[in-house]
Amino acid sequence: DADVTQTPRNRITKTGKRIMLECSQTKGHDRMYWYRQDPGLGLRLIYYSFDVKDINKGEISDGYSVSRQAQAKFSLSLESAIPNQTALYFCATSDSAARGGASNEKLFFGSGTQLSVL
Amino acid sequence: SQQGEEDPQALSIQEGENATMNCSYKTSINNLQWYRQNSGRGLVHLILIRSNEREKHSGRLRVTLDTSKKSSSLLITASRAADTASYFCATDTGRRALTFGSGTRLQVQP
Repeated sequence: DADVTQTPRNRITKTGKRIMLECSQTKGHDRMYWYRQDPGLGLRLIYYSFDVKDINKGEISDGYSVSRQAQAKFSLSLESAIPNQTALYFCATSDSAARGGASNEKLFFGSGTQLSVL
Repeated sequence: SQQGEEDPQALSIQEGENATMNCSYKTSINNLQWYRQNSGRGLVHLILIRSNEREKHSGRLRVTLDTSKKSSSLLITASRAADTASYFCATDTGRRALTFGSGTRLQVQP
């Protein structure tokens, strides 16, 4: 089983619809992230959460919201989807208590959700 | 704007050759990391180099870091067809989450 699981893997929706992307992890990590990937632009940070009560906006949070339901679950919502939100979305986790401390922290990614907004 | 920018954007080489990718960044960092992405899949961590390190090796990978030039390079030696993927640098500035560059697409011809 994957350590970081994203559902669904693919989703096609229409403009104006509300969409939720889900992420769960079995790694026991405290930190979780949502990134989006567009061709040629690399990954851009949408939201991140350093623990259940700590939610932070990333560089492109407009049009998105998140919920950290538990340490292992972090969901991303598009309240009213628009076509330019068509992208590949990745959830990632990290462990702030990793050996070596913060200077050694690395990300573990899910397999991604391909979202298409028509 | 992207903190890290990779160069070249795309690279095509023959199996057995070495592949070199470069990353430049803008602000001071705690560490710099390289990730690999197979087509349409999640990124996988390859190697991390701290700001006080200049070179690091892992198998066929060699990473260098020049903090005075704010640049890093990833060298893959004796490349294989299975190395075909996109490679991303990511910087940890200590402020929040990692910031990724736009990536280098590597094609290794068998």
